[in-house]
Amino acid sequence: GENVEQHPSTLSVQEGDSAVIKCTYSDSASNYFPWYKQELGKRPQLIIDIRSNVGEKKDQRIAVTLNKTAKHFSLHITETQPEDSAVYFCAARSRNTGNQFYFGTGTSLTVIP
Amino acid sequence: GAVVSQHPSRVICKSGTSVKIECRSLDFQATTMFWYRQFPKQSLMLMATSNEGSKATYEQGVEKDKFLINHASLTLSTLTVTSAHPEDSSFYICSARDPGGGNQPQHFGDGTRLSIL
Repeated sequence: GENVEQHPSTLSVQEGDSAVIKCTYSDSASNYFPWYKQELGKRPQLIIDIRSNVGEKKDQRIAVTLNKTAKHFSLHITETQPEDSAVYFCAARSRNTGNQFYFGTGTSLTVIP
Repeated sequence: GAVVSQHPSRVICKSGTSVKIECRSLDFQATTMFWYRQFPKQSLMLMATSNEGSKATYEQGVEKDKFLINHASLTLSTLTVTSAHPEDSSFYICSARDPGGGNQPQHFGDGTRLSIL
């Protein structure tokens, strides 16, 4: 099955700086890669996603890049704000596994004011 | 607004009690729902895939007799933790995938924090 790895596990940045979180996947049949933000004790919220036919997608301060050849995708947050502090999860969905998503281990992001 | 509703949000009960958690899709019909367990500061661990009208598919290591799943309608899946013990204490989250064409994200419920005394 699919194996998703995520790095780093913790990340601290100064307010206004950029944050980058990276994920790799193993199944070349994976074709959909969402990113979720989870605040303490709350539900994961979809913040951005990318499909395998696209190399990059941007939504205001958030962008995601995908390198299908290398099987990795990254989340980029620019001009970070304290409210960006949360745990971020990447995920991958493979055509081989139907609707099932495989999640990374999470990155705890802290934005220092 | 929320498209998946999960209830209850918090349960505290004695050891040996069975606890039922409900997951409802509000804006769409979900033939498939997912149940996850999340330990503090850890990722979402898929427990089982709930399939409407058929048996759930459990992940390796998850006891099907311990975690009973019923997906009786296109908008409701339930997870029952039978004879719960302190080691079952955790955060349980359900999700449902929007059935719209093409790749669609999963939408998560608010989660249920289960504490077994």
